[in-house]
This record gives sequence, structure tokens and C-alpha cells, in this order.
Amino acid sequence: DAGVIQSPRHEVTEMGQEVTLRCKPISGHNSLFWYRQTMMRGLELLIYFNNNVPIDDSGMPEDRFSAKMPNASFSTLKIQPSEPRDSAVYFCASSLGVRTTYEQYFGPGTRLTVT
Amino acid sequence: AQRVTQPEKLLSVFKGAPVELKCNYSYSGSPELFWYVQYSRQRLQLLLRHISRESIKGFTADLNKGETSFHLKKPFAQEEDSAMYYCALSAMNTGFQKLVFGTGTRLLVSP
Repeated sequence: DAGVIQSPRHEVTEMGQEVTLRCKPISGHNSLFWYRQTMMRGLELLIYFNNNVPIDDSGMPEDRFSAKMPNASFSTLKIQPSEPRDSAVYFCASSLGVRTTYEQYFGPGTRLTVT
Repeated sequence: AQRVTQPEKLLSVFKGAPVELKCNYSYSGSPELFWYVQYSRQRLQLLLRHISRESIKGFTADLNKGETSFHLKKPFAQEEDSAMYYCALSAMNTGFQKLVFGTGTRLLVSP
């Protein structure tokens, strides 16, 4: 298994543009998590899904951010419009269950730079 | 709200020296605590969790509720232990569904 797959690995875009980050969880995992990592705030949970349903999006910074999980094998995190302060590494993780007692398997991350 | 504090951004030790990576948390209830690790060019991965009470790669961590700490320890550091270490907490008020991470400590083990 290739593990959690994220694309693109690097994204450079201009302020105001729409950015879409993609994640393919490990087959058989029913929970998916999106995190953002910055120097100032560390690793923060943005949103998580269980069985393709969003459970908690309280970590999403503002309405410019949205996430979807149309099926068990694909999720997207969209930023529209993007701003320089969105520059960060975005991680996707999946697990066998939504409780943290289940190990979360992280993807390699997408490094986003907004100029 | 829960918070995890890792006071050291960088910890540098020599091979064979003891290591202690500090983690303190703020939460009034009984949390679940974890250590995650990211080796160079690898993904973030679970190292150990307090409920398992296990030793992984020679590392142990004891939950001290009185001091609200979950320090990670290893008696003799190895060069391959060099990595970024993150302490994380989950709590009952979130149904133990959300991980709150500290900002991480980079461990550098020199030969």
C-alpha cells in the first residue's frame, strides 16, 4: 500500500487564486483528517470526516476554506480566494476509526505558497 | 480549550546520552496522550501512546497527571533518533476524536 496520497506535493499560486488540494486515504480507512502546519501555530486540525461525512469543521479558519469527501477514496481541501497567510504545509491523514485510539496515518503533505 | 506545550524547539545531545523531550498539557480531565515522530524525508507517524504503556525504539513516556506532563525519555540516544517529535492530546469533551498537537521539538543526536 502506498499509504495516504496527497497531490500536488508543492503548489505556488498568486493571491486571489483558487487552490485545490487532494487526498486519497488508505483503502479501508473510514476516517479522514485535514491538518495545517505553520511555524507559528504548529499542526492544527482543520476538519475531519467519518464515513465520508464531515464531523467537525470548527478548525477551518474561515469561509474561504472548504472540504469535501465525495467518496471513500477521495477528499479535497479548497481555498478560494487564497491569501499569503494561507501559506503552510497541509497534511491529510486517515485511520480505521474516528477515535484517536486508532493510529492516524499521515500523507507526505502539500506545501502551499501564496504570493 | 486543551493545549499542549513543548518548551524546547531544539534539543541537541551526543550519542549515548540520555534524552528527555518535555511535554506539558492543559486539560482538567483525563486525556489520552501520544507522541508522534517525523524522521527526515519520512511521514509523520505514531511513536507511542500512554494507554499502551509500551516502549518503542527504546523510548518511554509516563503520564504524570499531577504535573500534567508526558515527557518522552530514552536512556541512550542513537543517531537514528534524530527527528522532529510532536506531543499530542485528545480529550473526552471531543469524544477523543481530535488530536491537539504541540509545536514540536527537533532532536539532534550527534556522533
